[in-house]
Amino acid sequence: GQNIDQPTEMTATEGAIVQINCTYQTSGFNGLFWYQQHAGEAPTFLSYNVLDGLEEKGRFSSFLSRSKGYSYLLLKELQMKDSASYLCVIMDSNYQLIWGAGTKLIIKP
Amino acid sequence: GAVVSQHPSWVICKSGTSVKIECRSLDFQATTMFWYRQFPKQSLMLMATSNEGSKATYEQGVEKDKFLINHASLTLSTLTVTSAHPEDSSFYICSARERTDYEQYFGPGTRLTVT
Repeated sequence: GQNIDQPTEMTATEGAIVQINCTYQTSGFNGLFWYQQHAGEAPTFLSYNVLDGLEEKGRFSSFLSRSKGYSYLLLKELQMKDSASYLCVIMDSNYQLIWGAGTKLIIKP
Repeated sequence: GAVVSQHPSWVICKSGTSVKIECRSLDFQATTMFWYRQFPKQSLMLMATSNEGSKATYEQGVEKDKFLINHASLTLSTLTVTSAHPEDSSFYICSARERTDYEQYFGPGTRLTVT
């Protein structure tokens, strides 16, 4: 079957670093996305990994290990506006997106 | 970057009526468009995938006669919720993909409330 696991909720402090983990089991793999979604809004693209390793983009980095079925999103220098849900999404062998349930990140001052 | 618009952004309708939601790709040709539904505190659920000029492919459990999807051009897809009921109240989001691009570009979403 297809399964994506990520924590339901995480809390972090403004200015700190937080890592959101995602493990997956899917039929085929054509890449992993991380999306950010603020309440009541559509998701916005953060990152795409298809090869193993770390992709860095400003304050956000995403890591992928295909052999372990594992990814993480690393957020540095947290800001209050980073409070949102973070969705781990797999593109399967048919190029369809399979969505994780999302991790609600709460940033405290 | 690529922009996708949706109209309306929110709509309230009475039970039994039909509602049409438009999804447009503004600066690219969307060969494939996707329609998602999201209930509160839940992840996005794919309803259907439509390729320009062909019939939409619906996910299991989605009634094709209730959720009519038309993708008549490379820049426009419409979702019509027919005979809407209160349980159809949800956040409907479309996304679009160019032929050569892996990324899906999301519209801002349409919040539907059926009274």
